[in-house]
Amino acid sequence: AQKVTQAQTEISVVEKEDVTLDCVYETRDTTYYLFWYKQPPSGELVFLIRRNSFDEQNEISGRYSWNFQKSTSSFNFTITASQVVDSAVYFCALMCLQTGANNLFFGTGTRLTVIP
Amino acid sequence: DAGVTQSPTHLIKTRGQHVTLRCSPISGHKSVSWYQQVLGQGPQFIFQYYEKEERGRGNFPDRFSARQFPNYSSELNVNALLLGDSALYLCASSLRVADTQYFGPGTRLTVL
Repeated sequence: AQKVTQAQTEISVVEKEDVTLDCVYETRDTTYYLFWYKQPPSGELVFLIRRNSFDEQNEISGRYSWNFQKSTSSFNFTITASQVVDSAVYFCALMCLQTGANNLFFGTGTRLTVIP
Repeated sequence: DAGVTQSPTHLIKTRGQHVTLRCSPISGHKSVSWYQQVLGQGPQFIFQYYEKEERGRGNFPDRFSARQFPNYSSELNVNALLLGDSALYLCASSLRVADTQYFGPGTRLTVL
């Protein structure tokens, strides 16, 4: 069975602080994608990143960075020097490529509030 | 380029009624997926279509149905609405089935 766990329901940080959002996943597939999406108050899910299960290289994009570790089935997301515009709900998602439909399995999300 | 579009934006229905939600994918995308997001939860997969064929279905009752048209747009139909169907319905498009999904703004359905 596929499952994504985001244990942090809500996080509040003061502007310019760094924050890490945790994601743990479960799957028996050996080929899969992992994603992070951002959902601002408007409701639209905004794609942030996709990682292939064969590529464990960490990635940095501006203030955003992602740490993928297959050994611990984790795909954590760090925002450096947070800004008020980062306030949103962030979802981690899994797409299995070997079994079933290629749909997204989402975690329950982490609500990030950045306080000015 | 236009992103995924959905209509209507908001909808209010009463129990027992029927609803049709519409989605237009990003130009060139041939796969459309539908998700239901209940308040405070992550989106749950309902359907996936590719080239007008159903490629996957989530754990939803038969009251939910969908189809994809030759121009790759899609409709989601829900019959005999229940209070529990109140949610944000999200449509996503992708080039192929196993590809990054880009989401539309959603349709917020309220069932009274």
